[in-house]
Amino acid sequence: EAGVTQFPSHSVIEKGQTVTLRCDPISGHDNLYWYRRVMGKEIKFLLHFVKESKQDESGMPNNRFLAERTGGTYSTLKVQPAELEDSGVYFCASSHRTGGGYTFGSGTRLTVV
Amino acid sequence: GQNIDQPTEMTATEGAIVQINCTYQTSGFNGLFWYQQHAGEAPTFLSYNVLDGLEEKGRFSSFLSRSKGYSYLLLKELQMKDSASYLCAVSIRDDKIIFGKGTRLHILP
Repeated sequence: EAGVTQFPSHSVIEKGQTVTLRCDPISGHDNLYWYRRVMGKEIKFLLHFVKESKQDESGMPNNRFLAERTGGTYSTLKVQPAELEDSGVYFCASSHRTGGGYTFGSGTRLTVV
Repeated sequence: GQNIDQPTEMTATEGAIVQINCTYQTSGFNGLFWYQQHAGEAPTFLSYNVLDGLEEKGRFSSFLSRSKGYSYLLLKELQMKDSASYLCAVSIRDDKIIFGKGTRLHILP
């Protein structure tokens, strides 16, 4: 089966611009998660979708971040406007059932300059 | 708060054995994961412990003591390809996993 796919793999944008990250989970996985790792820090939870519904978005840093999962398939994470501290690697993961192990995507490395 | 501690870096020799320790203090516990992550790649699942004891899977074993808030990952017969970061992560409830900062393991020939 195809794994979790993230696009783009790298993105370099200027402060104030908008960037949209995309995640395609494994087909049939209702649970989709976004995580972020900034340099020198641990991977941190951002939010969790169950199908198209946001189950938990307690990790979203602020209202410049907007995640959607229309139709319960792929998800997008938009950062608008981007700030320097948003730089990091954004990981998406999916699982078949809540509480099960995750399968991670390779991540999107975002650099805000 | 949530706290997961593991060593930042470790070095071992090809063919040897290495143990990576992880201690945790979390608001909940539904299980402990170990992930391997090579630079620029996705974290990949290695093991999951929910009960106390040792889980063995080939060259890799993982141990858990819930009463002590302690786990370790044991890697045997080290190979150069085992050079990677190893992430200890705790599931604090069904939908959220908290990660440690990871241990970067260097394998010397």
